Parts: sequence; C-alpha cells; structure tokens
Amino acid sequence: SQQGEEDPQALSIQEGENATMNCSYKTSINNLQWYRQNSGRGLVHLILIRSNEREKHSGRLRVTLDTSKKSSSLLITASRAADTASYFCALRGGYQKVTFGTGTKLQVIP
Amino acid sequence: AAGVIQSPRHLIKEKRETATLKCYPIPRHDTVYWYQQGPGQDPQFLISFYEKMQSDKGSIPDRFSAQQFSDYHSELNMSSLELGDSALYFCASSSAPGTSGDTQYFGPGTRLTVL
Repeated sequence: SQQGEEDPQALSIQEGENATMNCSYKTSINNLQWYRQNSGRGLVHLILIRSNEREKHSGRLRVTLDTSKKSSSLLITASRAADTASYFCALRGGYQKVTFGTGTKLQVIP
Repeated sequence: AAGVIQSPRHLIKEKRETATLKCYPIPRHDTVYWYQQGPGQDPQFLISFYEKMQSDKGSIPDRFSAQQFSDYHSELNMSSLELGDSALYFCASSSAPGTSGDTQYFGPGTRLTVL
C-alpha cells in the first residue's frame, strides 16, 4: 500500500517548543504534501515538496524529504496553541490519486 | 480568494436512503477529487475527475457514483446508505495536475450521518 505511516501518532508539547513529525512510505512518489486538520474541519494545505527537492520552508514550517530513505519530516518551530491539530502527509504517486498518511495528533499546551 | 464549496455541510439520512453531495471547485480548476474520512480515520480517496472525465478511482463502493459537469462542479451520489457510510466527505480541486498546480485545495466537507 502507498499509505504513509506517520510517527508519532500523538505528540504533546509546550508552547514555544518545536514539534517534529515524520512520514515514511514504501513506493516512489512524485511529490509529498503536508496538511493540517482541526478537529472535524477541512484539510488545510501547508506545503508541497517534490521528489527532486530535499528541503522547503514556509514561515515556521520546515519540510525535508529523503527519497533514499522514503521518508519526510515536518518541523514546526516555536509552536503555538493554535497549532494544535492533526497533521497528515499526503503522497502523490500516480496521476491523480493522493494517499493520506495515518496522521499525527499534535497538542500544544499554552 | 474563492475556495472550494461543498453542500450541504450537514446531512442526516436513514439507512437505505440516497444522498447527493455537491462540490463547486475553485474557479479555473478543472480537476475534482472526492475523499471519505471516517471518525478518527485518515481521508480515503474515492474518485477524481479531470475535464469532466473520471481520471482515477480509489475505494469507492459500487453503491456510489459521481460525475463532473460542464461547469466543473461535481456530484457524489450515494445509494442504499449504510450506517458505515457515516463520515466526513471532502471534495478537493486542483488545476493542471502534474504541473505546479499539483496542490489540492480542500472544501470544508459534508458531514453525513446515517441513522
């Protein structure tokens, strides 16, 4: 299955700390995207990294991609209570289909 | 900026009834995707359309069908509803898949409850 496996499944940190989430996958991909989802709400696109890229930044977000290890990480620096959400990696391998990972539940304690 | 619109936002149906969910993509987006997210689950890809043709298919039950219309909006038709169909149904849209328009933008979802 192309589904990404994320770890940790849950993460609880204090406000101001950094949060790191990892996504591992099994087959080749065209790109990998990270999404945030607040409870019961829609998915918000955070960042897309292509298979020929190794690192991307967007504000407090830093994403790395290691295609040799088939893994990606999302780092949120200086976390805020508003960052509390579930974070999903999403893999695009084929033409259209995007497969979501299992998600990491992040709780940022004020 | 205009976002993906889904209607209705909430829907309650009885078992064996039918339901129709609608999705209006971001203007000038020609590709629509449907996902199902059960409670505590990750979103599961159902089906996608590009230029009004089905472009990819995932774990969509035979009881479900979908289409994309000439104005690019899409409808997901669900028949013989079962309790297990209770979920959040997301629609996403993108432009020119495979290029810089790869990003899928998600709508707020339709929460379907089957009683």
